[in-house]
Amino acid sequence: EPEVTQTPSHQVTQMGQEVILRCVPISNHLYFYWYRQILGQKVEFLVSFYNNEISEKSEIFDDQFSVERPDGSNFTLKIRSTKLEDSAMYFCASSGREWNNEQFFGPGTRLTVL
Amino acid sequence: RKEVEQDPGPFNVPEGATVAFNCTYSNSASQSFFWYRQDCRKEPKLLMSVYSSGNEDGRFTAQLNRASQYISLLIRDSKLSDSATYLCVVNTRGGNAGGTSYGKLTFGQGTILTVHP
Repeated sequence: EPEVTQTPSHQVTQMGQEVILRCVPISNHLYFYWYRQILGQKVEFLVSFYNNEISEKSEIFDDQFSVERPDGSNFTLKIRSTKLEDSAMYFCASSGREWNNEQFFGPGTRLTVL
Repeated sequence: RKEVEQDPGPFNVPEGATVAFNCTYSNSASQSFFWYRQDCRKEPKLLMSVYSSGNEDGRFTAQLNRASQYISLLIRDSKLSDSATYLCVVNTRGGNAGGTSYGKLTFGQGTILTVHP
């Protein structure tokens, strides 16, 4: 069964450093998303991406964040200068040919900012 | 009012019990509805989509009432493996990046279910 994959599973970084979180969505999916979940809190939407551009972003997704689909398979989230409050689980998701189809989530990257 | 609000729980039930979760959502523009389950420190996994006509998948039944903006999930004959956090999720089309949005999921805070022997 096709699945979304994410690397690394855990990333530890120093405050102020740049991190890149990587995702490989399901191969025939067209819509891509990043969500995050701070420990003990609910899952929050960050950004949606379709046709090589951002279609919506949340208030959390400020200028420190960017997304890219550098080739036909990878989808990346970059945080330019990490803050302590960026520590969270980051989930990538993808959905198929219709925007309101179910979204399937990757296993997440746990980001720890020290 | 929270965008998606669920029973706070936690629910602690014996094996074989029937348990019901309730959820309300505030955005009437929401267009699709789901229940996900999340195990501790894992990703949300789709349990089922929810339709206005109601739908059933084995021991799980989901209902949607658009007029009252209410979603429910019923689990019959609970198993130990049903222990998880159940997430009520709505998909809303918006758009704030200069183009049409292609949906974002808004999650409830989740309801913890523990099924004990």
